[in-house]
Amino acid sequence: QVQLVQSGAEVKKPGASVKVSCKASGYTFTGYYMHWVRQAPGQGLEWMGWINPNSGGTNYAQKFQGWVTMTRDTSISTAYMELSRLRSDDTAVYYCARGLRAWWYFDLWGRGTLVTVSS
Amino acid sequence: EIVLTQSPGTLSLSPGERATLSCRASQSVSSSYLAWYQQKPGQAPRLLIYGASSRATGIPDRFSGSGSGTDFTLTISRLEPEDFAVYYCQQYGTCHFFGQGTRLEIK
Repeated sequence: QVQLVQSGAEVKKPGASVKVSCKASGYTFTGYYMHWVRQAPGQGLEWMGWINPNSGGTNYAQKFQGWVTMTRDTSISTAYMELSRLRSDDTAVYYCARGLRAWWYFDLWGRGTLVTVSS
Repeated sequence: EIVLTQSPGTLSLSPGERATLSCRASQSVSSSYLAWYQQKPGQAPRLLIYGASSRATGIPDRFSGSGSGTDFTLTISRLEPEDFAVYYCQQYGTCHFFGQGTRLEIK
């Protein structure tokens, strides 16, 4: 079954970091880019960046540069997104989504991981 | 940076009616690299349309996309109860930007 399975909800304090995982199954992990998109409560979708699971190369949206780190472990077909120096307005659902190329539509999405930042 | 503006913000219609959703880009979208997604409460977005007019796998033919350049449209020919959701357009040509969404609600 082709799917992306994300890690569970997280509660973090301001200033902490969070690392969300996204495990791919049912397809060749290294054959697709993995993107991360977030959605604050009641808000729209915001693209954060992508990782090329084959090379490990990354591209981050300007807003998140220096603040987000995307990595992968090809041995377990899993991509990771780590966001540091969390603030309350980072409270959101974080989705992973695959795209055939860096600049491509997203044909498969994870179910999302809720990250709550609260003191 | 390409800004995508969706209109209307909210569309109130009845099942069986036709829905027309608009997505306007601040610059021309290269090679019609425009997609539409549907999102229901508590769910991830689902790809409906890519390349401005190609339906994704398993999407009913009542959904259609059109447009080029800076003006794009998603049309739902006859609304089914399950079509009431939020719809987003996305530009994916040189970067990834989403519109702010159109909420399609039952009248």
